[in-house]
Amino acid sequence: DTGVSQDPRHKITKRGQNVTFRCDPISEHNRLYWYRQTLGQGPEFLTYFQNEAQLEKSRLLSDRFSAERPKGSFSTLEIQRTEQGDSAMYLCASTSGGYYNEQFFGPGTRLTVL
Amino acid sequence: AQSVTQPDIHITVSEGASLELRCNYSYGATPYLFWYVQSPGQGLQLLLKYFSGDTLVQGIKGFEAEFKRSQSSFNLRKPSVHWSDAAEYFCAVGPNRDDKIIFGKGTRLHILP
Repeated sequence: DTGVSQDPRHKITKRGQNVTFRCDPISEHNRLYWYRQTLGQGPEFLTYFQNEAQLEKSRLLSDRFSAERPKGSFSTLEIQRTEQGDSAMYLCASTSGGYYNEQFFGPGTRLTVL
Repeated sequence: AQSVTQPDIHITVSEGASLELRCNYSYGATPYLFWYVQSPGQGLQLLLKYFSGDTLVQGIKGFEAEFKRSQSSFNLRKPSVHWSDAAEYFCAVGPNRDDKIIFGKGTRLHILP
């Protein structure tokens, strides 16, 4: 399967713990996006990368959140000192960029903070 | 600010019946519009998109959508639904050439046998 993959698919953690999610985009795609989706809502943009450069961050991305894409391939999203309000589905998408191209989404990582 | 409104949180239709899911957007210029579908445990899948040109857009799985500038709408339609169409549907708008997408809150489609 050459689609976008995310790991883990599910994560349960206790409040205050740190968690890290990984996204592997489609190999030739240079743009990678992170979205957050809470119950009853559509996905909300968090941040995106062009190759290894993080180009934009939403105000939703508090200082407890950090994202990296060190070699312009896979990306990680870390949440420090998790809070119950962080419980959500975290979606990753990738695209080859340029004049608008389709974003391909991964299956998401569902985070539950107890 | 750009926004997308999907007025129906849930829609229930019988298998074989026609379907229309509503979407209204707020945007200052010509928008790029999308419909995505999300099945349980699956990622979002693009059904169709509108950038310019013909206002009636054909997509995958027998879906179509019509862009109506005067009504700021981009409603999704299907002439005959199948049980496998049960899922959540998201309308979205993309501003200019920035790839960031703004999603609506979604409409969950239920199919009656």
